[in-house]
Amino acid sequence: AQSVTQPDIHITVSEGASLELRCNYSYGATPYLFWYVQSPGQGLQLLLKYFSGDTLVQGIKGFEAEFKRSQSSFNLRKPSVHWSDAAEYFCALKTSYDKVIFGPGTSLSVIP
Amino acid sequence: DTAVSQTPKYLVTQMGNDKSIKCEQNLGHDTMYWYKQDSKKFLKIMFSYNNKELIINETVPNRFSPKSPDKAHLNLHINSLELGDSAVYFCASSQSDTGRYGYTFGSGTRLTVV
Repeated sequence: AQSVTQPDIHITVSEGASLELRCNYSYGATPYLFWYVQSPGQGLQLLLKYFSGDTLVQGIKGFEAEFKRSQSSFNLRKPSVHWSDAAEYFCALKTSYDKVIFGPGTSLSVIP
Repeated sequence: DTAVSQTPKYLVTQMGNDKSIKCEQNLGHDTMYWYKQDSKKFLKIMFSYNNKELIINETVPNRFSPKSPDKAHLNLHINSLELGDSAVYFCASSQSDTGRYGYTFGSGTRLTVV
């Protein structure tokens, strides 16, 4: 089955600390993977995407993600979190049926 | 200029009513989608259209009917609204019907059925 899981429902970090949000996927071939961010009351914004090439992908707002085929993971990282990064983060996978399915999301809180 | 715009932003209505949500994109994308986000923030695709043609139709009650008059617009009409239809509905668009470039989302329509 093709699926996306995000093991952490909620994460709290202090402002200035580093961040890593976990994403695992299940897919038989090379996946197309995405990270989106949803601020309160807003739509989702694409942070970055991976579909081939360099396994370390740079995105907007200082985020990066690393694709690890051996671990079926696509974790999102940021070296120093800002209070404005508090939001819901979704990992997503394009399936072989050309649908994009989303993980359940990780809610990020930032302590000043 | 808003890339993907949805109206209305909020919709409160009684059970049994019929309502529509409108979506427009000015990105020149060929493919548009409707997603439903439930109270637990879970996102599920409902429909997608490519150049006015339906290409994805998930297991959605037939009370929900999408309509695409042209490739820049995708509206969602809901008949006989039920309490369980309460959710946030997102419209999105992409430049490819495979979704591989990612989506641009609207800001959502919060539907509350009372």
